Amino acid sequence: DSGVTQTPKHLITATGQRVTLRCSPRSGDLSVYWYQQSLDQGLQFLIQYYNGEERAKGNILERFSAQQFPDLHSELNLSSLELGDSALYFCASSVGQGGSYEQYFGPGTRLTVT
Amino acid sequence: GENVEQHPSTLSVQEGDSAVIKCTYSDSASNYFPWYKQELGKGPQLIIDIRSNVGEKKDQRIAVTLNKTAKHFSLHITETQPEDSAVYFCAPRRGAGNMLTFGGGTRLMVKP
Repeated sequence: DSGVTQTPKHLITATGQRVTLRCSPRSGDLSVYWYQQSLDQGLQFLIQYYNGEERAKGNILERFSAQQFPDLHSELNLSSLELGDSALYFCASSVGQGGSYEQYFGPGTRLTVT
Repeated sequence: GENVEQHPSTLSVQEGDSAVIKCTYSDSASNYFPWYKQELGKGPQLIIDIRSNVGEKKDQRIAVTLNKTAKHFSLHITETQPEDSAVYFCAPRRGAGNMLTFGGGTRLMVKP
């Protein structure tokens, strides 16, 4: 158990809908990262927040957004969902905002868009 | 951005044999080199990492070796066991960078 929690574990929704994925980092970690894992794209970095502020952006679509709240939990919002958005979404956390800080991954949310 | 490649994409070994997975990267400024293990239904878990001032690091049956000149680092697993079966990812990055760029993954199967 990494100490990172993600909810829900599974999510099934229809195209065009909007969903919110939630992540609680390990106690004491200030950074939260979001990753998408799909069969054709592998593991891709989406976005990072550190202590409530956006720190880095990766291959995140404009239809996706995220935020980190004062209690440090984070939410990833996915809107206008398409079939291709079906994937595993992982959240990771680390103590620092960069450098060689170990990232601890949560168990993931499996999103299925039908 | 960083271009990361892993080889092989799949690896099947007999229990007790050794397994080696290689990761090549393009960013010469990379100075942190972790390996992650992902078991079915779980998130990636860091199993070993190395920094650029060290050429090799060992932790029981696993080791990582780094060749900064050639821009590659390798994961070595000795005396493989069925529980080593998983997908392994490398994710080299700059010390000051935030992004993890993962390799495509290597599916290791250890046959009992």
